[in-house]
Amino acid sequence: QVQLVQSGAEVKKPGASVKVSCKTSGYIFTRYSMHWVRQAPGQGLEWLGWINPNNGDTNYAQKFQGRVTMTRDTSISTAYMELRRLKFDDTAKYYCVRSGFSWGQGTLVTVSS
Amino acid sequence: DIVMTQTPLSLSVTPGQPASLFCKSSQSLLQSDGKTYLYWYLQKSGQSPQLLIYEVSSRFSGVPDRFSGSGSGTDFTLEISRVEAEDAGVYYCMQGMHLPPWTFGQGTKVEIK
Repeated sequence: QVQLVQSGAEVKKPGASVKVSCKTSGYIFTRYSMHWVRQAPGQGLEWLGWINPNNGDTNYAQKFQGRVTMTRDTSISTAYMELRRLKFDDTAKYYCVRSGFSWGQGTLVTVSS
Repeated sequence: DIVMTQTPLSLSVTPGQPASLFCKSSQSLLQSDGKTYLYWYLQKSGQSPQLLIYEVSSRFSGVPDRFSGSGSGTDFTLEISRVEAEDAGVYYCMQGMHLPPWTFGQGTKVEIK
């Protein structure tokens, strides 16, 4: 079955960077887009962007342009999302999502001084 | 960006009774390929969102047939024919058509009496 397993929780200081991984199994990694969505505590869902795992093409939400980078390693069927210059309001659970169908378990990123 | 508006924001339902949730988009979601990329998700407490319905009315694998989706253009409905206790949570609609970005409704919280 399709599985998306994300890396563990992170605590970062303002201004730092975080890189979240999403290891996939159960399907052909390069055939489906991978999106990243976040959810601040008690809030709704916000899309950050997506990557085409086949060719590495990316498309980011305007809000995160210049701060986010999405990459992938096809040899290990893993997608990555790096967010830089972290701010307090980047505290959220970050999800990888395969083409809108399957979600990872989420990675809690806490930005705290 | 396309704005997704859900109503009501909360709903309290007796088990065995039906429930209707509504989602309105600020622009038509009908694509040139004839498809409408409107999704419904349920997020249970402490869990990742799970896909219920894709492309307006197609039930995802394993989703009980008491869930059904309908609508076209800008107006969409998720119906639960007979609510069960396990249906509690927050329901989100999402448009996956106009990239970037994906956009989500603010959610409808369903409480079981």
